[in-house]
Amino acid sequence: DVKVTQSSRYLVKRTGEKVFLECVQDMDHENMFWYRQDPGLGLRLIYFSYDVKMKEKGDIPEGYSVSREKKERFSLILESASTNQTSMYLCASSSTGSLRHYEQYFGPGTRLTVT
Amino acid sequence: GQQLNQSPQSMFIQEGEDVSMNCTSSSIFNTWLWYKQDPGEGPVLLIALYKAGELTSNGRLTAQFGITRKDSFLNISASIPSDVGIYFCAGPNTGGFKTIFGAGTRLFVKA
Repeated sequence: DVKVTQSSRYLVKRTGEKVFLECVQDMDHENMFWYRQDPGLGLRLIYFSYDVKMKEKGDIPEGYSVSREKKERFSLILESASTNQTSMYLCASSSTGSLRHYEQYFGPGTRLTVT
Repeated sequence: GQQLNQSPQSMFIQEGEDVSMNCTSSSIFNTWLWYKQDPGEGPVLLIALYKAGELTSNGRLTAQFGITRKDSFLNISASIPSDVGIYFCAGPNTGGFKTIFGAGTRLFVKA
């Protein structure tokens, strides 16, 4: 079974802090994704990566950056956390293949609260 | 841009009832995916559909890829309390790596 793990289930940070969210997958997937999930807004893509050191902006990249130094690890960075970044953050991965790369496997999520 | 519209937004049903929910778009999709998210967890892939007209089952769940390629349906038979959660449909955007998600159908099952 694919396993995607996220470093924290719950996180509380102060406004202005730098925040790191880590995601690790164990299935050798090429593609990794970061989403945020807010009530009424569904899942919104922040960034994704299709290879080591490669990254692409998603729909809402402002205020975020990412790092992918190793294939299995994809980090989301909030440079200076703000209260409007309070949300559930979900990491996902998928393999590269004609159809399979649409089948994403999600981690359990990190619920971040910025006070 | 491409959008997926899910209905209903929420459903309240009695244990043992069958459930039907759908997902529609004004755009054509070549793949349809159905996910379930348990409270406080990440979404889990239930069923993937790759061919128009395809009907696929996974236990008590059955999903269909609409002939027009603009809709998909998910049915749950004989619901049980652990079916509670949010069901998302999803599909790939045109020409890219991104996946578009519907807003979800929230299912409540009363024992």
